[in-house]
Amino acid sequence: NAGVTQTPKFQVLKTGQSMTLQCAQDMNHNSMYWYRQDPGMGLRLIYYSASEGTTDKGEVPNGYNVSRLNKREFSLRLESAAPSQTSVYFCASSGGQGLGAFFGQGTRLTVV
Amino acid sequence: GENVEQHPSTLSVQEGDSAVIKCTYSDSASNYFPWYKQELGKRPQLIIDIRSNVGEKKDQRIAVTLNKTAKHFSLHITETQPEDSAVYFCAASRGIGGFKTIFGAGTRLFVKA
Repeated sequence: NAGVTQTPKFQVLKTGQSMTLQCAQDMNHNSMYWYRQDPGMGLRLIYYSASEGTTDKGEVPNGYNVSRLNKREFSLRLESAAPSQTSVYFCASSGGQGLGAFFGQGTRLTVV
Repeated sequence: GENVEQHPSTLSVQEGDSAVIKCTYSDSASNYFPWYKQELGKRPQLIIDIRSNVGEKKDQRIAVTLNKTAKHFSLHITETQPEDSAVYFCAASRGIGGFKTIFGAGTRLFVKA
């Protein structure tokens, strides 16, 4: 039982490049999330998917897009990376609203 | 907008002492309050949570208290051990439509042996 798996673990991009972060969960959870973590700012929600087929903006959605491919998979895309997007990104899933989240191992992204 | 304030940002205690981390939330509709522990370089992990219909919950050495009137909730760790050293995050969300979980900025706890 792998839980929540995200790839890649590390990535360096040049400004303007694009990339997709992949996330998959095997816990049959309905809800999935993408967060970014910056020093001293905790975890901020980028986008979430309450259930398969739906996605919604979180606190900091600008510069990102998401796709809920199926119940298991939720990807995050940076179309034109900027240095301000340098961060650690976490994917998470939960059984639904008002339930605790399980996190992936994180992706450390550096945009130069 | 909604926010969660967490204090202190850093806490240093001697092994065996207690540690208390406090959070205040602004959204009065919040009714689910999880706490996460994040060790250095690792993912956040849920350690305990509380819902608004209870005032206190305990799990071995950790306990959470909630004061809905004051919009305060706290994490208490007793008999601290070096392995408790980590960053702790509080969070708040609504039970209905509770997908937008708001996190506090975190408390770095050091337990000195």
